[in-house]
Amino acid sequence: GEDVEQSLFLSVREGDSSVINCTYTDSSSTYLYWYKQEPGAGLQLLTYIFSNMDMKQDQRLTVLLNKKDKHLSLRIADTQTGDSAIYFCADSYFGNEKLTFGTGTRLTIIP
Amino acid sequence: GAVVSQHPSWVICKSGTSVKIECRSLDFQATTMFWYRQFPKQSLMLMATSNEGSKATYEQGVEKDKFLINHASLTLSTLTVTSAHPEDSSFYICSARTGLAGGSNTGELFFGEGSRLTVL
Repeated sequence: GEDVEQSLFLSVREGDSSVINCTYTDSSSTYLYWYKQEPGAGLQLLTYIFSNMDMKQDQRLTVLLNKKDKHLSLRIADTQTGDSAIYFCADSYFGNEKLTFGTGTRLTIIP
Repeated sequence: GAVVSQHPSWVICKSGTSVKIECRSLDFQATTMFWYRQFPKQSLMLMATSNEGSKATYEQGVEKDKFLINHASLTLSTLTVTSAHPEDSSFYICSARTGLAGGSNTGELFFGEGSRLTVL
């Protein structure tokens, strides 16, 4: 079946940039997403990118998509303590609303 | 953005009892809602797709009789964990998709805050 993978942990110093990586296996994925989950809370959509794009920027967030390698990354510039959370990447196929989630990357900010 | 609310946020119950979790779209109508469960330190696993006015579609391996889903209105879906056992303890999250102009589907979902179920 389809698989979405992420590294489990990432630690970054406050003020530095964080880069969270994700790989997926389904070449027919049309939408790719990044969600943020804070402790005890549901998921908050941060951003998404269509598969025909290779980059999307939204304030401190930059999403890069390498469709050939099926690699997605989320860069958070000037990482703050409030960015501490688990970040999930997910993909879906157009017309199919099911999302397949990665295992999540726990981002820890070092003061 | 759109708001999806779950109730209760957490529930503790005895083994063998049934627990109902509600998922409401507060400011939009959702013909389709999704139920996920999340085990500690794991990702979200889709359990079922809830369709208003029709039967839910369950993912492979999810017991229909165990996890009853009812989507009686365009703003409410419920998940009932019947005869709950300790292994059913988990974080249950629902999501709903807003309808967009022209009927296009960006696949953007809004998630509830989650409901933590602990079965003793």
